[in-house]
Amino acid sequence: SAVISQKPSRDICQRGTSLTIQCQVDSQVTMMFWYRQQPGQSLTLIATANQGSEATYESGFVIDKFPISRPNLTFSTLTVSNMSPEDSSIYLCSVRTGGENSPLHFGNGTRLTVT
Amino acid sequence: GNSVTQMEGPVTLSEEAFLTINCTYTATGYPSLFWYVQYPGEGLQLLLKATKADDKGSNKGFEATYRKETTSFHLEKGSVQVSDSAVYFCALSDRTGTASKLTFGTGTRLQVTL
Repeated sequence: SAVISQKPSRDICQRGTSLTIQCQVDSQVTMMFWYRQQPGQSLTLIATANQGSEATYESGFVIDKFPISRPNLTFSTLTVSNMSPEDSSIYLCSVRTGGENSPLHFGNGTRLTVT
Repeated sequence: GNSVTQMEGPVTLSEEAFLTINCTYTATGYPSLFWYVQYPGEGLQLLLKATKADDKGSNKGFEATYRKETTSFHLEKGSVQVSDSAVYFCALSDRTGTASKLTFGTGTRLQVTL
């Protein structure tokens, strides 16, 4: 399985600012995803990070709020823009290394607190 | 659409007790099923998986059997340890849907005490 490094591991930010989260994988992967896990809740898919093209966002998530970059097959960034306390969550990068229904592998996440 | 329903937690057990965490699903196609575990302060780790009906996934003493007739994938362990304390997520991936999305349950927190 892939080794996924995510940073920062945690951050405390002021409302109105933006934070960029980085995800580095130790091997080339086709599929990379960004999830959000709000306190005490399950995981919600934000978007699929597509290499060389715009990310595919899920319902309720927009590019202006969560811009995503995927410059190559091993790296992606997620930016949380114009943050509010409601954005306080764990943000998780994940990758799929096998076929379409193979399991996802996750990074350790970024714990974001917005004050 | 697809959905996963897990029993609510927290589940509190004494060490060496038997564990069952219920999971049922709704899917339009023929999903693969997974259990993920999240230890305190860490990301999710794949615990086990099953890709077709009657498959049994197993790992670290945990087991789950893909039951198509009851649309269930209950997680079991015969004797839990304190180190098993974590949040457990049931998830499905539907091969007839658009590529590569996982649908997660809400998670069940397990607390094992001495």
